[in-house]
Amino acid sequence: AQSVTQLDSHVSVSEGTPVLLRCNYSSSYSPSLFWYVQHPNKGLQLLLKYTSAATLVKGINGFEAEFKKSETSFHLTKPSAHMSDAAEYFCVVSDASGGYNKLIFGAGTRLAVHP
Amino acid sequence: NAGVTQTPKFRILKIGQSMTLQCAQDMNHNYMYWYRQDPGMGLKLIYYSVGAGITDKGEVPNGYNVSRSTTEDFPLRLELAAPSQTSVYFCASSYPEGTEAFFGQGTRLTVV
Repeated sequence: AQSVTQLDSHVSVSEGTPVLLRCNYSSSYSPSLFWYVQHPNKGLQLLLKYTSAATLVKGINGFEAEFKKSETSFHLTKPSAHMSDAAEYFCVVSDASGGYNKLIFGAGTRLAVHP
Repeated sequence: NAGVTQTPKFRILKIGQSMTLQCAQDMNHNYMYWYRQDPGMGLKLIYYSVGAGITDKGEVPNGYNVSRSTTEDFPLRLELAAPSQTSVYFCASSYPEGTEAFFGQGTRLTVV
């Protein structure tokens, strides 16, 4: 079975500094991986996705993530944090075992951005 | 396109009451899902469906039922509400394997 571990439950950065949100996954085959963002009291929005094409994936709002098979990681980064980036971020793996697509969520990382 | 629409947005239930959370999508997706989100726990899959007439259990199905009579609709039924079902519920839809899911805005349910 596939699983996702987000290594930090909370990350706090200053505005203008880099953001790193860490995600490790376990998978018995080549996975599809996603990052979603959830702003307070809102639904989930897709930031970016990896589906076995380029290992460096660019998403919306300046975010990107790098798929590293040898490290089973899919960390999310942004060069310069903005106040509007404060939200909860979920790393997600697509589990197609059994022939059906199921999305397995990590526990989430809450990002705080300080002035 | 409206995307994925959930109703209601908020609901308070008394213990033992029943209710149906509605979910509709207009993207002609085969796959639909129900998740619940508890604080600090991420999203847990309750039920999913790969097409009209086909449903299956996810990680936390106890206390819930679903049906999928059409491609567009995937209602979630709570028969005997319990305080443990206090949560935020999200419906989602997608195309098949390896593709992203589109989420509704969520239903915040409180059982008292």
